[in-house]
Amino acid sequence: ETGVTQSPTHLIKTRGQQVTLRCSSQSGHNTVSWYQQALGQGPQFIFQYYREEENGRGNFPPRFSGLQFPNYSSELNVNALELDDSALYLCASSLAPGQGAGELFFGEGSRLTVL
Amino acid sequence: AQTVTQSQPEMSVQEAETVTLSCTYDTSESDYYLFWYKQPPSRQMILVIRQEAYKQQNATENRFSVNFQKAAKSFSLKISDSQLGDAAMYFCAFPNFGNEKLTFGTGTRLTIIP
Repeated sequence: ETGVTQSPTHLIKTRGQQVTLRCSSQSGHNTVSWYQQALGQGPQFIFQYYREEENGRGNFPPRFSGLQFPNYSSELNVNALELDDSALYLCASSLAPGQGAGELFFGEGSRLTVL
Repeated sequence: AQTVTQSQPEMSVQEAETVTLSCTYDTSESDYYLFWYKQPPSRQMILVIRQEAYKQQNATENRFSVNFQKAAKSFSLKISDSQLGDAAMYFCAFPNFGNEKLTFGTGTRLTIIP
């Protein structure tokens, strides 16, 4: 069974640039959620994708966008990067909404630094 | 909006002793899950234990158990026989708009003293 994998593990960008983070979900999971974890904080829900459609969004601006592909992998895109976007971005996969009793399987995250 | 509060930023415990991590939450819902997640220094978050609000019996997973007080909106995690591998950040989490969309607390850093 393959776990959740994320790439890249670390990256550095400058203000105003754009970034794409990638996630492969665990085998058998068709739902992907993205979380932002600032240093010293708990993860904050960005959005969830199910069947290639956005299925819920947290309090993040539209410059945070995502995609889910037919193989259930996912991308998180952030445009016009700001210094406050520096964080660990976590991807989590799960069974279909309502089927997994809320258990999320996390990747190790992508550490984004914005200079 | 649902909120989750962890009032202990750091805790430490001697190896083999017992420690309790606190969590309170606020919700108007009557049926829900509550979760404790562990984030070791390697960063990969894993589920420690899950409690269903409609069940009066507290959940237990080996050395990990919860004390769930629904009326008080309290959900504490007890770790018995603490081991060095238990050292991690522990996050309490509550589902927001669905069981897979979680609101996390700010976490408690647990240190195990050999």
